[in-house]
This record gives sequence, structure tokens and C-alpha cells, in this order.
Amino acid sequence: QVQLVESGGGLAKPGGSLRLSCSASGFPFSDYYMNWIRQAPGKGLQWISTISASGIIIYYGDSVKGRFTISRDNAKNSLFLHMHSLTAEDTAIYYCARVSNSGSYFDYWGQGALVTVSS
Amino acid sequence: SYVLTQPPSVSVAPGQTARIPCGGDNIGSYTVHWYQQKPGQAPALVIYYDSDRPSGIPERFSGSNSGNTATLTISRVEAGDEADYYCQFWDSTNDHYVFGTGTKVTVL
Repeated sequence: QVQLVESGGGLAKPGGSLRLSCSASGFPFSDYYMNWIRQAPGKGLQWISTISASGIIIYYGDSVKGRFTISRDNAKNSLFLHMHSLTAEDTAIYYCARVSNSGSYFDYWGQGALVTVSS
Repeated sequence: SYVLTQPPSVSVAPGQTARIPCGGDNIGSYTVHWYQQKPGQAPALVIYYDSDRPSGIPERFSGSNSGNTATLTISRVEAGDEADYYCQFWDSTNDHYVFGTGTKVTVL
């Protein structure tokens, strides 16, 4: 069955950096677009970034463009999010999610990784 | 940027029908998807392509989309339907995925 497992969350200082990972299994990872989506405490869902199956096409949300970098390693069935210049507003649960074959919706989600930015 | 607006909360008695609107400029021209999120859990898809249900989702969940409003309808509401619900679509103009503001459904 499809499984997405995030790791790498934790505490970071304002201005600091953190790298999240998402390990995928149960499907041909290299065939699917992948995403990061976050949810601040008590708030709604916010799409962060998308990467195409090959890694060539990448999109970012306005709030993270220039600070976050999405990447993937298809040989290791892994998705990454490199986060820099973190602020308190980046405190959230970060979800890894697979995009459906149609490219329009998220059909599988991981359980999320908590990132806390605080001094 | 495009905004999808949902009411913060909807309350419904067990057995009744809950309707959750998702408003956006000409949203009927796009396909809308819906997610259910229970406390402490990741979101889960409940409706895709406006009105299709993934396997395992009860027929009580249905969707529609026309004009400036997409709607998720939950018929014969049960206590287990209590959750936050989010609409979502792909904004191809800006290459962004957009989520609605979210609606908390409370079963009275």
C-alpha cells in the first residue's frame, strides 16, 4: 500500500535552516509529481511546493519562494524540502503528499512532520 | 492570488444534511476537490473532480460545482463525520494549488 513518511522536523532558530525528508513506498515513486503542504497550529492547509516526476518542473508558493527548495531522489524514493531563513510564521506541520495521475488533486498524504521556529 | 472562501463552521444534527460551500470567482470553470481532516490526522480525499468519490468513501458524501460556488454535501450525517473540510483546485494560471479556508463541521 502507498506509504509516505516524513522525517527531519524539529526545533530551529529564527534565521536558521532545516531539511525535511519524505520516504515513499508502495508505488512507482519516479512516476508521480510530489508536494509539500503545511498547516500552522490551528490554521488551514497551505500548499508549499510541487516537483514533477523527473524533478525538472518545480513550483513554489509565494510565502516560501526564494527560501525553500524542493528536490527528490528517485533512486531512493525520497522527497526533500530544504528550508532556509526560517521565521516563526514557518512553524507548522509539514505534509508530504502525492499528486494524482491527473495532476489535479492529492490522493495520498503522509502523517506530517512538526517544524517549530523559536529562539 | 486566487482565494477560495468557506464558512468557518457548520453545525448539523445527526441524520440531517450538511452543505459546505466553497466560493471563488467562476470556480465552476475549474475542477474542485475536497478533503476531510479529523483532529490529529492528515487530510484525506473525500471528493475529486467535483463529484467523484474515492473507494471507501460512503455515498453520503457528494459534491457539485457551478458558477461561483462548489458544494460538499454530507447526507444523513453521523457523529464520525465531525471534522474540518477543505476544498482545493489547481490554479493553472499561476501554477499554484489553492486550498479553501476550511470549514469545521460540528455534529450536534
